[in-house]
This record gives sequence, C-alpha cells and structure tokens, in this order.
Amino acid sequence: GNSVTQMEGPVTLSEEAFLTINCTYTATGYPSLFWYVQYPGEGLQLLLKATKADDKGSNKGFEATYRKETTSFHLEKGSVQVSDSAVYFCALSDRDTGNQFYFGTGTSLTVIP
Amino acid sequence: EAQVTQNPRYLITVTGKKLTVTCSQNMNHEYMSWYRQDPGLGLRQIYYSMNVEVTDKGDVPEGYKVSRKEKRNFPLILESPSPNQTSLYFCASSPYLDRVMGYTFGSGTRLTVV
Repeated sequence: GNSVTQMEGPVTLSEEAFLTINCTYTATGYPSLFWYVQYPGEGLQLLLKATKADDKGSNKGFEATYRKETTSFHLEKGSVQVSDSAVYFCALSDRDTGNQFYFGTGTSLTVIP
Repeated sequence: EAQVTQNPRYLITVTGKKLTVTCSQNMNHEYMSWYRQDPGLGLRQIYYSMNVEVTDKGDVPEGYKVSRKEKRNFPLILESPSPNQTSLYFCASSPYLDRVMGYTFGSGTRLTVV
C-alpha cells in the first residue's frame, strides 16, 4: 500500500541554521510528492511539489528532490528564520490508487532567535 | 480569491447534539475531502467525494456523514457527537484529473465535544 514516513519532531533550531526534515514513502505506482506547511492557527498550504524522479521542488528557500532510488523526498533549507516555525507535512498522491493523498504525521519546527 | 471556506472556525457542543460543519469551494474542483488532525496522528481522512453525488469512506468514517448535492459544497455531519470526536477538522479540494496541483485546504474547524 501507500504510506509516508517523516521524521519525528519536534525540531528546534537557531535562526540561520540548516534544516533537514526527512521523508520517505512507499507507493504502489508512480506518485507525485508534496510538502505542506501549517502555520499556527491556520490550514495547510502547499509549499512545494515534484511529479517525477529527480525533479526538485522549491519555494521560499525550501527545496526537496524526488529520489526514486531511495524513495525519499527530504525537505531542506539553508538558513531558517523565526517565521519558518510551523508544522511540515510530507504527502504523496498516487494515480494508481485513484489519486488519493497520503500524509505523514507532520514535523513541528520551532526556530529561536 | 480562490479558497475553501469552512464554518464555524470554533465550536463547542454537548454529546449527542447533531451538528454540521460546512465547507464550500469556489474553484470548481471535482474532488473534496474531510480530514481530522489529532496530536501525534497527523491527518486522517474521514470522507471524500470525487464529484457530485459520489462519496466514499476514508480511513476514519465512523460517526460521520457527508453529502455532495452541489459541486461547491461538502458538509460534514455529526449525527450524535461524542467526546472522541473532539479534534481539528479540515476540508480540502483539488481538481480530480489534475491531482498534481495538490490540495487547497480550508482554515480548519476546532470542535470540542463535552
């Protein structure tokens, strides 16, 4: 079946530190991969996506590369800011299972000044 | 502005009193879905709908009902709420044939059942 596993949180970093949030997936077909961000008190927003192997999604300084060989889609940012404090969700959509979405459990990030 | 609108944002109710959480989208999306978010469990899908009059169960449908009489609306109904349905609920929509666009989420409804 399909599933998404992401690293446990919470993660606490100092401002300007390097961020990595690991995400691996299991899929029966050839999925599209997503990162969503949830700021405090808000709904989820699409942060970035990749639809085929070796694609790199990027937005707001965040990047993630679709690695089919390792079934991974790790989120990275070179220098985090306090405003990046949020919960991050990795997700996949698989056409072979009717384009259903599958979410990871979320990773909470707190950036301190 | 393209959006998914949920109402109410906050709701406190008593066990057994029927309630409805409304969800409306203005993007002409075919696919709509309800999720609940609980600490440590992430997002779990309750019900989804691929188009008008087509609905199906997600992972945690017990205690919930939905309807899809119009394309834009997808209300979530709790016929007899119980305290274990205290949660944060999200409605989401996407184009069905272009799911790589990803979901658009509503702002959430925080429900407390006492």
